[in-house]
Amino acid sequence: RKEVEQDPGPFNVPEGATVAFNCTYSNSASQSFFWYRQDCRKEPKLLMSVYSSGNEDGRFTAQLNRASQYISLLIRDSKLSDSATYLCVVKIYNFNKFYFGSGTKLNVKP
Amino acid sequence: GAGVSQSPSNKVTEKGKDVELRCDPISGHTALYWYRQRLGQGLEFLIYFQGNSAPDKSGLPSDRFSAERTGESVSTLTIQRTQQEDSAVYLCASSLALLAGGPDTGELFFGEGSRLTVL
Repeated sequence: RKEVEQDPGPFNVPEGATVAFNCTYSNSASQSFFWYRQDCRKEPKLLMSVYSSGNEDGRFTAQLNRASQYISLLIRDSKLSDSATYLCVVKIYNFNKFYFGSGTKLNVKP
Repeated sequence: GAGVSQSPSNKVTEKGKDVELRCDPISGHTALYWYRQRLGQGLEFLIYFQGNSAPDKSGLPSDRFSAERTGESVSTLTIQRTQQEDSAVYLCASSLALLAGGPDTGELFFGEGSRLTVL
């Protein structure tokens, strides 16, 4: 079983839409959680960390549910520039390893 | 430059040849990771170096793969007797050491990758 699972999509949404992605993780010892963004043929870059109480960064909101072992990312008022692949990332503290989901592709259409 | 530097950016080789990929991390970053990303796939963990500790090699797919890192500097990933299935982008990332109980931004800084094509 993969450490991190995501719906690959693609999610095709119009500009201005609200879209949500979920991911699940298998290791209950997971300590830290993140969303990364990867543009086509580019390297991944950190979008935001995910905190237990949930956190917001502009149009982006991340939530963590430890009991159910899932993480979500909500994007409001989608922009064309949001088109990318969103990677869910989990870190197992004791092993200091980052596990990446396979990513969810988002296409924002005009 | 201030970022993670990888070379070569593109490598085309024939099946059976050895290749060496290089990663120069951000100065001061003690943690260094290698990942593999096949076309349309996610990132596959290969190996992790942290300071002078023994590396975590648990992700290396076969004994044809090896990596070295001298201290907290450059790392090289070597693939011997390449196979077509090795074709992928090899991504290197570095991060600050995590002090016990210290904050963890979770930020891995990636290089642009080395795209390997095995014919």
